[in-house]
Amino acid sequence: SQQGEEDPQALSIQEGENATMNCSYKTSINNLQWYRQNSGRGLVHLILIRSNEREKHSGRLRVTLDTSKKSSSLLITASRAADTASYFCATDEDRGSTLGRLYFGRGTQLTVWP
Amino acid sequence: KAGVTQTPRYLIKTRGQQVTLSCSPISGHRSVSWYQQTPGQGLQFLFEYFSETQRNKGNFPGRFSGRQFSNSRSEMNVSTLELGDSALYLCASSLGGGQFYEQYFGPGTRLTVT
Repeated sequence: SQQGEEDPQALSIQEGENATMNCSYKTSINNLQWYRQNSGRGLVHLILIRSNEREKHSGRLRVTLDTSKKSSSLLITASRAADTASYFCATDEDRGSTLGRLYFGRGTQLTVWP
Repeated sequence: KAGVTQTPRYLIKTRGQQVTLSCSPISGHRSVSWYQQTPGQGLQFLFEYFSETQRNKGNFPGRFSGRQFSNSRSEMNVSTLELGDSALYLCASSLGGGQFYEQYFGPGTRLTVT
């Protein structure tokens, strides 16, 4: 079963605008990771945020984590056409039996128009 | 450092055949995880290996198997292929395989079963 669920399923914006994607999950986690996938290709790791962190930045990316609400958001500022991709959040579970396993949501398809 | 490599990138097989996919992790990474991605089921965890030992396994039939070698390279095998096995197979490597390490994905192997 999938742990993370992204919202919205699809997002369409103009270049220069900000894009915000949300992720909700069900169980206690140790960390949450965001990935980008261009059509039919591998996943590119964007950022990892640990359960004891609330916010993290990387370039134009800003990720927040609210463990009380079991949710995370990914903000891409000043979007570019090259940001067009599917974005996934992935969580582990705070259980020893799930080592090495990530749970993915269905992803948000982001389209950035020139 | 070179990223995660997967071979072959594309495969076309016939129902009933078997297939072996290969994954070379990032140098120094000891954990390798495998995922299946389909439009219907999304990203699903197959199994994870750490230091040649399978530590975790997802909900897939016994036709799906894997192994890891002493140099951390991993292979997965699917026997008696079915049409539903058509998918993008992704492997990911991680430094320690614990909950606090990023997983980095390869470009995937696109398997088509006819």
